[in-house]
Amino acid sequence: ILNVEQSPQSLHVQEGDSTNFTCSFPSSNFYALHWYRWETAKSPEALFVMTLNGDEKKKGRISATLNTKEGYSYLYIKGSQPEDSATYLCAFSNYGGSQGNLIFGKGTKLSVKP
Amino acid sequence: DAGITQSPRHKVTETGTPVTLRCHQTENHRYMYWYRQDPGHGLRLIHYSYGVKDTDKGEVSDGYSVSRSKTEDFLLTLESATSSQTSVYFCAISLMEGVNEQFFGPGTRLTVL
Repeated sequence: ILNVEQSPQSLHVQEGDSTNFTCSFPSSNFYALHWYRWETAKSPEALFVMTLNGDEKKKGRISATLNTKEGYSYLYIKGSQPEDSATYLCAFSNYGGSQGNLIFGKGTKLSVKP
Repeated sequence: DAGITQSPRHKVTETGTPVTLRCHQTENHRYMYWYRQDPGHGLRLIHYSYGVKDTDKGEVSDGYSVSRSKTEDFLLTLESATSSQTSVYFCAISLMEGVNEQFFGPGTRLTVL
């Protein structure tokens, strides 16, 4: 059974703090790693998709890195704002998965206090 | 928005009754998925479809069936709802080219009493 682990489960930071969290996934047969942002009462929204070892993606104050050899990805938020409060999901797919389906972690819930 | 709607958005039903949830897309994407979201579990795949009349099981398919008679609609049926099926259900669509980027619908909150 393939497992995707995210840590921490939850995080409380002050406005202006920078923060990061981790997604760990199986390093064998890697195909792609996705990050989604999920606000309460809304649907998950795609942030990044990464496929190559060493990939780095950035969108505004949010960035992500990928290490496929050791099986982890980091998501960084610089200068957190209250509107960054959300659950951040990562999802992994591999060649061997049925139709390349995504396997989701349980998410990291970020709360940013003004 | 990716042109995905789900209906109903909220439903309360009783144990033992049949329930059908509908996902409708206007994007002509080949792949459609049904997930459930529960506290402590994240998103878990129930069933997915890779074309009209082509479906397959996901991780938590017991107690659910699906049908796809046309590209734009993917139906999820609970033949006899149980309290353990109380959840938020999300539909997603994908072109399934390359990295399988998925776009999610707004969700359906189902409560089984």
